Amino acid sequence: GAGVSQTPSNKVTEKGKYVELRCDPISGHTALYWYRQSLGQGPEFLIYFQGTGAADDSGLPNDRFFAVRPEGSVSTLKIQRTERGDSAVYLCASSYPPGELFFGEGSRLTVL
Amino acid sequence: SQQGEEDPQALSIQEGENATMNCSYKTSINNLQWYRQNSGRGLVHLILIRSNEREKHSGRLRVTLDTSKKSSSLLITASRAADTASYFCATDAYNTDKLIFGTGTRLQVFP
Repeated sequence: GAGVSQTPSNKVTEKGKYVELRCDPISGHTALYWYRQSLGQGPEFLIYFQGTGAADDSGLPNDRFFAVRPEGSVSTLKIQRTERGDSAVYLCASSYPPGELFFGEGSRLTVL
Repeated sequence: SQQGEEDPQALSIQEGENATMNCSYKTSINNLQWYRQNSGRGLVHLILIRSNEREKHSGRLRVTLDTSKKSSSLLITASRAADTASYFCATDAYNTDKLIFGTGTRLQVFP
């Protein structure tokens, strides 16, 4: 596709459930970023991939959060045992080479 | 954590006026970028300025960078109602590709 694609666009789940959010970056982009954005705040860095490996995962808030990018393209952000505080918009971005980021429209997660 | 902090947090102006937003950051950087976000949408890249540059222009946008003060400003000239959005600065800490965003300025341009 022409841009970064994120699915689902909206996800409502119950506290304690497992959630997966998918990001399909721009073809050929080697770097992929995940951010989390709460209402009225700036994007909060979670994790950054260069190729298949996580170059920096220092922003993941705790071990309930995990992300993979097994083939260096599509990435999945996985959240276990969701909590109400996880509710936010999860943004994915890609770039080549690292520099200007191209963002998807985000996945809005609501934990009830 | 957020590396940058923008001010003002919110700005309201009339069409045709200029809008100036400021960004301060904490650590040495390779470059600084500005992004725009319309309500409920993803972020769109506006302009990138490298640490060895002091000023850069793109259309109605003018960005300055003062590395000694660890600050940048974004000027939008002759603003339009369509410029209404949130604006964020983002920096990569020196020797990393991790891009950290500021808290944002919400700009409202009235027709």
